[in-house]
Formats: sequence, C-alpha cells, structure tokens
Amino acid sequence: AQTVTQSQPEMSVQEAETVTLSCTYDTSESDYYLFWYKQPPSRQMILVIRQEAYKQQNATENRFSVNFQKAAKSFSLKISDSQLGDAAMYFCAYRRLAGSSGDKLTFGTGTRLAVRP
Amino acid sequence: DAGITQSPRHKVTETGTPVTLRCHQTENHRYMYWYRQDPGHGLRLIHYSYGVKDTDKGEVSDGYSVSRSKTEDFLLTLESATSSQTSVYFCAISGTGGDTQYFGPGTRLTVL
Repeated sequence: AQTVTQSQPEMSVQEAETVTLSCTYDTSESDYYLFWYKQPPSRQMILVIRQEAYKQQNATENRFSVNFQKAAKSFSLKISDSQLGDAAMYFCAYRRLAGSSGDKLTFGTGTRLAVRP
Repeated sequence: DAGITQSPRHKVTETGTPVTLRCHQTENHRYMYWYRQDPGHGLRLIHYSYGVKDTDKGEVSDGYSVSRSKTEDFLLTLESATSSQTSVYFCAISGTGGDTQYFGPGTRLTVL
C-alpha cells in the first residue's frame, strides 16, 4: 500500500521569506501523480500544485514550486516570498494512475504553516 | 472554483440515529468521492463512485453506505451513527481517471 509521510507537523516562516515543506512517499508504482493541497482556516481544500511522476521538470505555480526527487521518493514544496495568506495546513497527496483503486488520493497527515508578520 | 456543494455544512446528532450527507456537483464529472478528515490522519477515502449506480469501497468504509442515482448527487449515509464517526466529511469530484480531484467545502458532523 502506498503511504505518504509529512514529518513536520508545524512550520513557521517570516513574511517575505522562503519556506520548504517536506513530503516523502512509498510506492512500488513507476507512474503516479503527486499533489500539494492547502487547507486554510475556512477548511476548504485548495489545490496548490500537481506533479506527474513521468515528468522530470519540477512543477511551478507562481510563488509555489516543488523539488521532485523520484529515486528518493521525495516531494517537497517551496513557498517563496511568503504572505500572510499562506498560513494554512498543507497536505501532500499521492495518486496512482487510473485503475481499480478509483483514483483515490492517499494523504499525509499535514504540516501547519504559520506566517509571522 | 468547481461547482461542488455539500449539505448540511454542520450537523449534531445522537448515537444510533441515521444520518445522510449530500454532495451535489454542477460539473457533470464522472467520479465522486467521500473522504473523512481526522486529526493525525489527514484525509481518508470512505467510498467512491465511477458513474451512476457504480460505487466501491475505500479504506474506511465500515459503518457507511453510499448511493448515486444521478450524475450530480452522491449521498453518504451513516445507518446508525457512532461517536467514532465524529469528523469532517469532504466530497470530491474529478472528470476522468487522470484528472485532479476538487473538493467541496466539507461537513462537520458531531455524534454525541
């Protein structure tokens, strides 16, 4: 079974600084997807970024970028120029390619990010 | 934002009572999912649907049933609620097997 591990329950960053959230996963699959979701106090789950395992290039979305290390099974999220609105719980998630699992997402336990003004 | 609504948004009920949560989408997406979120566990899949009347179990399906009679609606039923089912429930949708899942706003359920 696939597992996703987020070893940092809480992180803190100064506004305008850069922070990196860690995620590791375990799978025997060679093709899969990885995601970072953000959950602010409103509780809404918001997609931040998505990475396809077959792509060597790291995904980027504005101030958010990932460092995808397939051999190490590592998928970290870097937030540059942190803003107060970035304060939230961040979840790393894994999904295998479409198949009998119904495309379920396997989530890590989350990292709570605080942004200091 | 994906057109996903959940009802009710909050519910308090007593042990042993039946509860039904509704997920409604306006995106005409094929796949729909129910997850629960608990501290220390992230989100875990309860049941999912890959089409009208086509459903299957997830990893924490005990005590839950689902139904999907229309593309736009996916119902989650707790036949006899227990305190261990106190949680936040999220519905998600995706268009195809390769699509990203988009989540509804969640329902906070408290079972006393």
